[in-house]
Amino acid sequence: KAGVTQTPRYLIKTRGQQVTLSCSPISGHRSVSWYQQTPGQGLQFLFEYFSETQRNKGNFPGRFSGRQFSNSRSEMNVSTLELGDSALYLCASSFRGSGTLGQETQYFGPGTRLLVL
Amino acid sequence: EDKVVQSPLSLVVHEGDTVTLNCSYEVTNFRSLLWYKQEKKAPTFLFMLTSSGIEKKSGRLSSILDKKELFSILNITATQTGDSAIYLCPGRFKTIFGAGTRLFVKA
Repeated sequence: KAGVTQTPRYLIKTRGQQVTLSCSPISGHRSVSWYQQTPGQGLQFLFEYFSETQRNKGNFPGRFSGRQFSNSRSEMNVSTLELGDSALYLCASSFRGSGTLGQETQYFGPGTRLLVL
Repeated sequence: EDKVVQSPLSLVVHEGDTVTLNCSYEVTNFRSLLWYKQEKKAPTFLFMLTSSGIEKKSGRLSSILDKKELFSILNITATQTGDSAIYLCPGRFKTIFGAGTRLFVKA
């Protein structure tokens, strides 16, 4: 079974631009969660999608948005990029996600490393 | 505010040493916890603990959960250089992560 895939793997943008990152979950998984990881803040939860609906949301500004398609693939968009958005963006998939009250593991993709200049 | 606190934040040991990593939770609706190991890239799953007092083992790694005290430990015996990584223990449906424990094992 193929693992979680993320594209692109690396990205360089300039301030003010927008970016779209893509995540394909493991086949059969319907929950996709997105995380931002920076050296200073560690891993921070962005949002979770399940069956095309946002189910949970972390504490990030509205510039960060996402969506999920009917095949469970998910995209994350960041508009008006800031220098502080430079980070590793990870997505993780699981069968049911938070609907299981945390009682299932999730599998992470390799991440997209975004650098904002 | 829900949070996960890990300690120590960093640890340097020699090969063959035993280490204990700690994770405490201040979260609502606590159900279970997971331990992850993160090397250069994405975190990889180690353990999921749902019951209090039952130790889970995988080779040299073991973990136990105290659901009443909302506390978990991860033990690594006979450490190897390949154990060098950041260890994470997310809480609250995997939406809250602590800072992680950065373990460095010297040869």
